[in-house]
Parts: sequence; C-alpha cells; structure tokens
Amino acid sequence: EAGVTQSPTHLIKTRGQQATLRCSPISGHTSVYWYQQALGLGLQFLLWYDEGEERNRGNFPPRFSGRQFPNYSSELNVNALELEDSALYLCASSARDALEKLFFGSGTQLSVL
Amino acid sequence: AQTVTQSQPEMSVQEAETVTLSCTYDTSENNYYLFWYKQPPSRQMILVIRQEAYKQQNATENRFSVNFQKAAKSFSLKISDSQLGDTAMYFCAFMKHLAPGNTPLVFGKGTRLSVIA
Repeated sequence: EAGVTQSPTHLIKTRGQQATLRCSPISGHTSVYWYQQALGLGLQFLLWYDEGEERNRGNFPPRFSGRQFPNYSSELNVNALELEDSALYLCASSARDALEKLFFGSGTQLSVL
Repeated sequence: AQTVTQSQPEMSVQEAETVTLSCTYDTSENNYYLFWYKQPPSRQMILVIRQEAYKQQNATENRFSVNFQKAAKSFSLKISDSQLGDTAMYFCAFMKHLAPGNTPLVFGKGTRLSVIA
C-alpha cells in the first residue's frame, strides 16, 4: 500500500512568486495535515483538512492557503513568497476512525531565493 | 495552549548501549495522546511509539519503551541496544482529542541522536 506522497520533492522559487505543493494521502484516509519545518523552529502546524473542509489552521498569515479535493488529496498554496518561507513542508494523513494516527510523507523542500 | 519541551538538543550513544531522551509537556487536559517520532535523513517522520494518557502501563515497541509520568507531565523515550540506524532526529509530540478547532500534533523542537560505532 502506498504511503503519503508529496510533490514536488524540491521547489525553488524567488521572492514574490507563488508556490503550490501537493499531497496524496494514504488510500482511505480522509484527513490531511500540513506542517512547516523551518530550520531551528521544529514543526509548526499549518492546516488541517477533513472531508473537504478546513478544520483548523495554525498561526500563519493568510497567504498560506490550501484545499482538499473530493479524492482527499490536498494542495498547499503559498503566495507572495518571502525568504523565511524556505522550509520543509510535511504533509500527513489519518483515517476517520483513527484520527490520532498520523502518517507523514517525505516532504517538499521549498527554497525561496 | 499545549507546549512540548525537549531539553536535550543533541545526544550521542555507543552502539548496543541504552539511551534515554527526555520530554515534558504542559496541558490542562486529562485525556490525550503522546508520541515519539523519528526523522532520519530521508526526512520522513516515522512513528516510533504512542501512549494514551488514560493507560497507566508504559508503551513498549521492541527496543523502544517510554516512561510516562502523568502527574509530572513527563514522557521519556528509552532506546535499548542502540543501532546505527537509530541515528536521527527524535520528536516528542502531544495531541488532545482531535476535533474541529483543535490543533493536531504539537511537537517539541527535537533531539538529534547520534549512534556511534
């Protein structure tokens, strides 16, 4: 069974551009979570989607947004990129009957130049 | 808000020896989950062990075990018979009952563990 898959693996952008990161959850999982892992800051919660709805978002500016599609895959969009957005973005998924069991992907490394 | 503190930024251990990683947390909740995740150089977060707060018995997974002290809000990870493949960042994480508006996993800043041959 395939795990959580994220694309692209690496993404290089310049300041002011937009970035789109994609995540496919494990088959049967309905919840998707996004985390930002910046150097020295640990993992910070960004967004949680469940059944197509945003359930919660972390303390990030509105230029961080996302959505979940009917097939439960998800996109994270970051507009007006800033240098400090450079980080590893991790996606995780969990099943409806086991929300506390999060399975993570290998992340997208976003570099903003 | 819940917080998770890992006071050891880096640790090292000789192969085959035992090492303990510390974690403390702050919460007013009574029911919650605690986790240890491992992040090797491949960057993927791998669940090592999970503890449910209402269970008094400490969780064990092969060479990995925890010492859960609910009153002290402490959740340490013991790795026995350390192997070179255990070299990784280890994150302690907290989750209360997951409902809309709640934050999923809250992570500590991690402990970098090096296993030395």
